[in-house]
Amino acid sequence: EAVLTQSPGTLSLSPGERATLSCRASHGVSSAYLAWYQQKPGQAPRLLMYGGSTRATGIPDRFSGSESGTDFTLTISRLEPEDFAIYYCQQYDSSLSVTFGGGTKVEIK
Amino acid sequence: QVQLQESGPGLVNPSETLSLTCSISGGSINNYYWTWIRQSPGKGLEWLGHIYSRGSTIYNPSLRSRLTLSVDMSKNEFSVKVNSVTATDTAVYYCARLQFPRGYMDVWGRGTTVTVSS
Repeated sequence: EAVLTQSPGTLSLSPGERATLSCRASHGVSSAYLAWYQQKPGQAPRLLMYGGSTRATGIPDRFSGSESGTDFTLTISRLEPEDFAIYYCQQYDSSLSVTFGGGTKVEIK
Repeated sequence: QVQLQESGPGLVNPSETLSLTCSISGGSINNYYWTWIRQSPGKGLEWLGHIYSRGSTIYNPSLRSRLTLSVDMSKNEFSVKVNSVTATDTAVYYCARLQFPRGYMDVWGRGTTVTVSS
């Protein structure tokens, strides 16, 4: 099964800045089976993106997803105060198993 | 709007069995995949396994020997049992709906904290 490595571990940015989060797969992962989640303290994760680049219901368009080979990127174009959180990528593989990346924390600089 | 609610003991003795149930409201359990995910204190997310409404299961290989997932369609709920627990099973346990075939979780419960301790 693929291992998902997220980088950086922590991203320190100011509101209004652009955030670029990386999720690298150890081997072939199709973007069709790649999702992103946001988790705030004390809350359950919330689905942001699925299929690599499709926003979930109610997710603002400042969130976008892209792919380049085995590298997947979540971009937040202009950080809002409510965007400071931990973000996880997740993949679903051919054995029907689920794997999460280790997470990237986006904190206020 | 589908909502999920986890329930079960918050404290389990070492070596015993952890049992949790996820109750589904606002929708049917039928024709969906349902999953369990846990998060140890200060750590990331770990997938435990998922079950289809008709009972077929997929387990995390690293936990397969200790896990049992089940579905009760009459009660619109599904459950997880983890045998022979140790302190490393202390975590927040989440239930979620898994969308097949893309494999993403679009509805989550709030989570329930389980502590393994004597």
